[in-house]
Amino acid sequence: DVKVTQSSRYLVKRTGEKVFLECVQDMDHENMFWYRQDPGLGLRLIYFSYDVKMKEKGDIPEGYSVSREKKERFSLILESASTNQTSMYLCASSQWDGNQPQHFGDGTRLSIL
Amino acid sequence: SQQGEEDPQALSIQEGENATMNCSYKTSINNLQWYRQNSGRGLVHLILIRSNEREKHSGRLRVTLDTSKKSSSLLITASRAADTASYFCATNGNKLVFGAGTILRVKS
Repeated sequence: DVKVTQSSRYLVKRTGEKVFLECVQDMDHENMFWYRQDPGLGLRLIYFSYDVKMKEKGDIPEGYSVSREKKERFSLILESASTNQTSMYLCASSQWDGNQPQHFGDGTRLSIL
Repeated sequence: SQQGEEDPQALSIQEGENATMNCSYKTSINNLQWYRQNSGRGLVHLILIRSNEREKHSGRLRVTLDTSKKSSSLLITASRAADTASYFCATNGNKLVFGAGTILRVKS
């Protein structure tokens, strides 16, 4: 089974801090994704990557950056955390073929105080 | 922007009953996928139906797709308490666009 592991289930940070969320997948998938999930809004795509060192903006990239130095690891960075970035963050991976499902981690519930 | 919109927003049924959730979308798609999310957890892929398919089954799940109406439905037969979760449809290929989901509660 594919396993996508997010480094923290719960995280509390302060406004203005630089925050790193880590995601690792073990199935050699080309594609990796970061979403945020808010009540009533479903999942919204922040960034995705289809190869090492490649990244593409999603629908809501403002205030975020990403890093993919190795194929199995995709990091989400909040450059200067703000309270409106309090949310559930979900990482996913998939094979390059667009007709393959995405596999999700269990999420990181991030609170910015 | 949300492409898939699920209906109803919430559904409460008794164990053993069938549950039907609907999804409508706006633009043409390559495929449509259904996911389940248990409270506080990540999403789990249930079933993928391609744009040239009309119906697909997986265990107690049945998914239909009507591209002329831009709609899909997910039927869960003989529901169980463990089916209690949120269900999301997602459209397109590598860049999935998710709806807001249907919250299903199965009462035992």
